[in-house]
Amino acid sequence: NAGVTQTPKFQVLKTGQSMTLQCAQDMNHEYMSWYRQDPGMGLRLIHYSVGAGITDQGEVPNGYNVSRSTTEDFPLRLLSAAPSQTSVYFCASSYKGGYGYTFGSGTRLTVV
Amino acid sequence: TQLLEQSPQFLSIQEGENLTVYCNSSSVFSSLQWYRQEPGEGPVLLVTVVTGGEVKKLKRLTFQFGDARKDSSLHITAAQPGDTGLYLCAGVGGADGLTFGKGTHLIIQP
Repeated sequence: NAGVTQTPKFQVLKTGQSMTLQCAQDMNHEYMSWYRQDPGMGLRLIHYSVGAGITDQGEVPNGYNVSRSTTEDFPLRLLSAAPSQTSVYFCASSYKGGYGYTFGSGTRLTVV
Repeated sequence: TQLLEQSPQFLSIQEGENLTVYCNSSSVFSSLQWYRQEPGEGPVLLVTVVTGGEVKKLKRLTFQFGDARKDSSLHITAAQPGDTGLYLCAGVGGADGLTFGKGTHLIIQP
């Protein structure tokens, strides 16, 4: 069982570049979400989805886009990378609201 | 915005000691989850508490949900070096994902 798979594990971007962080789950979970983790700030919700075709903004959505065309995949797009987006990004999925989340192992992104 | 305050932020104790980590909020949550995270990995779910006053035990770990569903605690008995990690509480308010506390960094020294 793969669980939640995130790629890449590490990425260095130049300011202004765009990229997509991939997230896939094989548990047929309806709920998926993206978080960023910064020192002293904890995990903060970027975007979330409660099913294919349905997405919404979390606490810190600016500079990020998401789409959910299938149940399995929930990519996160950085439109124009900024140094403030240097962080560790986690994708997570859950059977439904109130159930525990399964997290991926994260993508460490550095924007220079 | 719902906020969760965790305390202490850092805790370093000797093997065999007991400890308690607290998670407090001014908001009511439908349920609360505790996760443990190790360096370079994503958080791993330990427990979900749903009912006010609920107590759950996981071996040497005891989790309690406050009667008003605004606070929770994690108590570890006879801590071991393998308990070292970042402990995170997360509130579930609705469909919009989890609200995390900033975490407690726990170090258990042999």
